[in-house]
Amino acid sequence: DAGITQSPRHKVTETGTPVTLRCHQTENHRYMYWYRQDPGHGLRLIHYSYGVKDTDKGEVSDGYSVSRSKTEDFLLTLESATSSQTSVYFCAISEGLAGGPDTGELFFGEGSRLTVL
Amino acid sequence: AQKITQTQPGMFVQEKEAVTLDCTYDTSDPSYGLFWYKQPSSGEMIFLIYQGSYDQQNATEGRYSLNFQKARKSANLVISASQLGDSAMYFCAMREGYSGAGSYQLTFGKGTKLSVIP
Repeated sequence: DAGITQSPRHKVTETGTPVTLRCHQTENHRYMYWYRQDPGHGLRLIHYSYGVKDTDKGEVSDGYSVSRSKTEDFLLTLESATSSQTSVYFCAISEGLAGGPDTGELFFGEGSRLTVL
Repeated sequence: AQKITQTQPGMFVQEKEAVTLDCTYDTSDPSYGLFWYKQPSSGEMIFLIYQGSYDQQNATEGRYSLNFQKARKSANLVISASQLGDSAMYFCAMREGYSGAGSYQLTFGKGTKLSVIP
């Protein structure tokens, strides 16, 4: 199994509070991603990183920020959580571009369930 | 328009039978990749199979095969000899291009919940 650890795995918070989710990898993969999963929507990309301090927005980036100060860590921050951000958040990593000429397989973490009351 | 469409919210299959999960996609990029992932009730995402747009043959991985019909833009997953452990959500996903913003992103369908009946 790919060495990906997400923390916390479960969190309940109140509207308006800041929240940070951490993704830690031991694979030294270049690419890291944050997805959210909601019923009826599948998985949607929030932000991704293609190197230390190199990040960009995905499909649903509003209300989220990310940082990557080290290869192994990718942080997702909700500056002021809202109820619409209640979701399961998945971190993923890939050695090459997701779906690159090789398979570019994504390896997923176990997910972090966030509830915003 | 949705880029990945999975029209079957839920399906049932008898143990040891084969089952096909449908996936259609929409892209104008000639270079793309198609993926299937499995998500059991425990929640983790498990990669099953990959098909590149230029691959001449349908991908196979053990009991999984991908029925790739490029002209119809379909990439159906076929599971042979279903097992109880195959009960899970299955997601079809696509990556468009080998460069640019689209190449960093997998677009997922909404998923199909497969239930295997003993």
